[in-house]
Amino acid sequence: GESVGLHLPTLSVQEGDNSIINCAYSNSASDYFIWYKQESGKGPQFIIDIRSNMDKRQGQRVTVLLNKTVKHLSLQIAATQPGDSAVYFCAEKGAGGTSYGKLTFGQGTILTVHP
Amino acid sequence: KAGVTQTPRYLIKTRGQQVTLSCSPISGHRSVSWYQQTPGQGLQFLFEYFSETQRNKGNFPGRFSGRQFSNSRSEMNVSTLELGDSALYLCASTMGAEEKLFFGSGTQLSVL
Repeated sequence: GESVGLHLPTLSVQEGDNSIINCAYSNSASDYFIWYKQESGKGPQFIIDIRSNMDKRQGQRVTVLLNKTVKHLSLQIAATQPGDSAVYFCAEKGAGGTSYGKLTFGQGTILTVHP
Repeated sequence: KAGVTQTPRYLIKTRGQQVTLSCSPISGHRSVSWYQQTPGQGLQFLFEYFSETQRNKGNFPGRFSGRQFSNSRSEMNVSTLELGDSALYLCASTMGAEEKLFFGSGTQLSVL
């Protein structure tokens, strides 16, 4: 049968603006969360991660916020640059043997940065 | 340190054929995971290997299989290819205990 493609959320910003990409995760037992950036023709590239015992973590120009109460994750990118244009994925991972190597990915968000 | 290397970069096959994809993890990494990425389903976990043993498996039919060698290099095989197997196949590696996966650039498989 005909498959239905994912309709990815999109975010368009101007260069220099701050960007916020949101993600809802599904498993309340997940204890590790990670953000990846994927550019066209490339594999996902690690941005930042956070464990469930934290609610905020900062990196270089990026901040991840975790709200376990509503199962929500967000990625904030400061002073967004054209090179930040890509698809951004959040992913979650549970604990235990059934999660070896297994990340459950969100659908992704397309970020476009206009010069 | 070299990243995760996947070969070949592109493959074109016809229905019914089989295909083998190769992955060399980052030096020192002993865990290799495979993912399928399609526009319709997104990124989906196939399986994970550590020290030549499959430790975890996703919800894919038995036509999808893999193995890992003593040097941690891994291969995945898809038999009796179907049109729906057209996808980007991604390999990722990690030391073993850590959760952060490092991905290769993938093999783009087209089934005609």
